[in-house]
Amino acid sequence: DTAVSQTPKYLVTQMGNDKSIKCEQNLGHDTMYWYKQDSKKFLKIMFSYNNKELIINETVPNRFSPKSPDKAHLNLHINSLELGDSAVYFCASSRQQGNYGYTFGSGTRLTVV
Amino acid sequence: SQQGEEDPQALSIQEGENATMNCSYKTSINNLQWYRQNSGRGLVHLILIRSNEREKHSGRLRVTLDTSKKSSSLLITASRAADTASYFCATEEGSWGKLQFGAGTQVVVTP
Repeated sequence: DTAVSQTPKYLVTQMGNDKSIKCEQNLGHDTMYWYKQDSKKFLKIMFSYNNKELIINETVPNRFSPKSPDKAHLNLHINSLELGDSAVYFCASSRQQGNYGYTFGSGTRLTVV
Repeated sequence: SQQGEEDPQALSIQEGENATMNCSYKTSINNLQWYRQNSGRGLVHLILIRSNEREKHSGRLRVTLDTSKKSSSLLITASRAADTASYFCATEEGSWGKLQFGAGTQVVVTP
């Protein structure tokens, strides 16, 4: 199946831990994104990579570090997790040029306790 | 910051009725997109309307865009229980396709 897949689907961890979320797309898209959805369902862009290059870096704590080993993968590493990091994190991809919709992964629900 | 604002926040209708939701935004855009999110799932792209287009149809969906008022509407005709979901408008801006989402409209369709 062509898709954006992210792992894990659920992540429960203690404050202070470091964790990673992985994302892969097999759609041949050039651009990948990380979005955070809070408890009120508000979606906020965090990062975007185009062909392994960082192109969007919103105001995100530097505890969050994206890594794109190739254009099909975009991982998100979070250091020193805090309670406020609890949210659903979505990976998405799109073609490089504008005027195309995004394809979203199914999300990773992160709970920090 | 949030670009789009949606109205209403929640909508409850019966099967067969039409559902209309509106989206307003603040800055110049490349296009405006609508997405659906079922509970506990990812977002699904429904329809995209370019800034030089005024109306677009896709199946039971009709989208309008008024760039002078910076607003858009999504109409779902003959709604079904399976249309129960949250619907988000999103505006694309800039050269890198940055997509900013509204807060969403939660639609409940009862049989």
